[in-house]
Amino acid sequence: DTAVSQTPKYLVTQMGNDKSIKCEQNLGHDTMYWYKQDSKKFLKIMFSYNNKELIINETVPNRFSPKSPDKAHLNLHINSLELGDSAVYFCASSRTGGTLYEQYFGPGTRLTVT
Amino acid sequence: EDQVTQSPEALRLQEGESSSLNCSYTVSGLRGLFWYRQDPGKGPEFLFTLYSAGEEKEKERLKATLTKKESFLHITAPKPEDSATYLCAVPSGSARQLTFGSGTQLTVLP
Repeated sequence: DTAVSQTPKYLVTQMGNDKSIKCEQNLGHDTMYWYKQDSKKFLKIMFSYNNKELIINETVPNRFSPKSPDKAHLNLHINSLELGDSAVYFCASSRTGGTLYEQYFGPGTRLTVT
Repeated sequence: EDQVTQSPEALRLQEGESSSLNCSYTVSGLRGLFWYRQDPGKGPEFLFTLYSAGEEKEKERLKATLTKKESFLHITAPKPEDSATYLCAVPSGSARQLTFGSGTQLTVLP
């Protein structure tokens, strides 16, 4: 009964290709996120999304786009992949409300662009 | 811009040797602070939420504390299974987005 799952676990692709990473959560949360962890292990927010609002970190290239078919899924699409996109990508989810709720993370997808 | 700084970058302890990890932050209006644990090849695992200065939380050998400028994660009598990278994070901008520190890599030797 995995709470937040991602597929694939590993993704190796060539520059210029378009790829997607899927994320699903079964926690009943209404907000989902994508984070990027670089080679120095620094974790940085890319997007947060619920059914009302998409918040995009201003440093994220527009080649990256989140797509949510329903509340339990937030997929990450990447167009025209570049070498610098190589990293580990984490999906996360949380409840939303007046209280500050913790985020639960998936196992990560290691993307390697050659 | 909100900033989170963790120290030390790496810490090696002998089993049973207690110590503390530091997380200092600069945010415009603290709404809380999270601690996570990350094992190699895995996603961050939630440990604690601290909402206001003076608050403390405990879980097994871990104790997290919060002041107006920093948070500490105290590890009492650690075991090798406590080896991991410990991350702290604060909500910034939108309350739903977290700014993470770079983490402290803890190694506990048997």
